[in-house]
Amino acid sequence: TQLLEQSPQFLSIQEGENLTVYCNSSSVFSSLQWYRQEPGEGPVLLVTVVTGGEVKKLKRLTFQFGDARKDSSLHITAAQTGDTGLYLCAGATMNNNAGNMLTFGGGTRLMVKP
Amino acid sequence: DAGVIQSPRHEVTEMGQEVTLRCKPISGHNSLFWYRQTMMRGLELLIYFNNNVPIDDSGMPEDRFSAKMPNASFSTLKIQPSEPRDSAVYFCASSRVFRPYEQYFGPGTRLTVT
Repeated sequence: TQLLEQSPQFLSIQEGENLTVYCNSSSVFSSLQWYRQEPGEGPVLLVTVVTGGEVKKLKRLTFQFGDARKDSSLHITAAQTGDTGLYLCAGATMNNNAGNMLTFGGGTRLMVKP
Repeated sequence: DAGVIQSPRHEVTEMGQEVTLRCKPISGHNSLFWYRQTMMRGLELLIYFNNNVPIDDSGMPEDRFSAKMPNASFSTLKIQPSEPRDSAVYFCASSRVFRPYEQYFGPGTRLTVT
């Protein structure tokens, strides 16, 4: 079983603060995705990282894939109340039947207070 | 383009009743995934299809659960008979053949079995 552990599980911060969320595994993934989920909705894809050491920026969000492709981090600069939500990382493993399955982490529930 | 469509959005039923959840994937996507999300277990993959063919159903909890994909634009997840422990949010997601790890989720069906 491939497990993805996210930390912290819960995070409550003030608007304007910076934060980092971690996603760790003992398994190697072919790619890693980050999703954000708001209450009553499905997860929405934020980014995909594929190459070990890759860094991607999406406005105030910075995503990094570990060199060994076993871990990832999400850093948010100057958090806003709109960043509130559940952040999920998901690792992709190649299925021999020509499909990619995603293993999801347990999520980090972020609350940004005004 | 329309996203993944799921129906119903909410379902309340009594233990022992049959429940059918429906999904229409994004047009042109050829992979379809059914997930279940609970607070205790997070997001779990139940089954996925490639080109309407079930590839991996190892996540289906037990024989009470079944899924079909009769054509490229429609899938169902059936629970018969339903039990209170089946209460969860069920998500359908779809992806393209060339980027199967980037999955697009529907809004989910919140199932409550009393």
